[in-house]
Amino acid sequence: GAGVSQSPSNKVTEKGKDVELRCDPISGHTALYWYRQRLGQGLEFLIYFQGNSAPDKSGLPSDRFSAERTGESVSTLTIQRTQQEDSAVYLCASSLYENTEAFFGQGTRLTVV
Amino acid sequence: SQKIEQNSEALNIQEGKTATLTCNYTNYSPAYLQWYRQDPGRGPVFLLLIRENEKEKRKERLKVTFDTTLKQSLFHITASQPADSATYLCALPAYSGAGSYQLTFGKGTKLSVIP
Repeated sequence: GAGVSQSPSNKVTEKGKDVELRCDPISGHTALYWYRQRLGQGLEFLIYFQGNSAPDKSGLPSDRFSAERTGESVSTLTIQRTQQEDSAVYLCASSLYENTEAFFGQGTRLTVV
Repeated sequence: SQKIEQNSEALNIQEGKTATLTCNYTNYSPAYLQWYRQDPGRGPVFLLLIRENEKEKRKERLKVTFDTTLKQSLFHITASQPADSATYLCALPAYSGAGSYQLTFGKGTKLSVIP
């Protein structure tokens, strides 16, 4: 596709349910990033993939969060047993290499009720 | 770890004036620094990248400077227009304790250009 695509655009879930967020990066981009942005706040770094490898998962907020990437393609961010504090916009970005400009998706707005 | 400070949360200026936004960082000087624009409800959009050996970079009405001595980047919008109203973010590469790359963002400055 022409840009980074994220799905769903909006997700409302009940507290305690699991959710899976999807990111389709720009074809050929080796680097992929996930961020969380709470209302009125800045971008909180979650995880970085180089290819399908994420060397450091310490940015993930808790062990309820996990992420994976298939080859240099789609990535999924999974949140288990969602809590109200998980409500935020989750943004995905990709770049050709780690030192080039990042292209962002439109984000997934997650609301935990 | 690298800490990024953008000078103010909000900046209001009159149309036609030059807006100047500041980004300061605290630790090692990065190899490059990026500026992004974010509109409400949208993901950030890349504007400019400046490398450590470049003092200044221009793109149309935008100008970025990078002073590694001061650990500061300035972002200028000349002849500002109401359409320039948005939040502007600076971003630096950083490396975690485990040696993994991160692209770290400042909290941003919300610019409002008043007609």
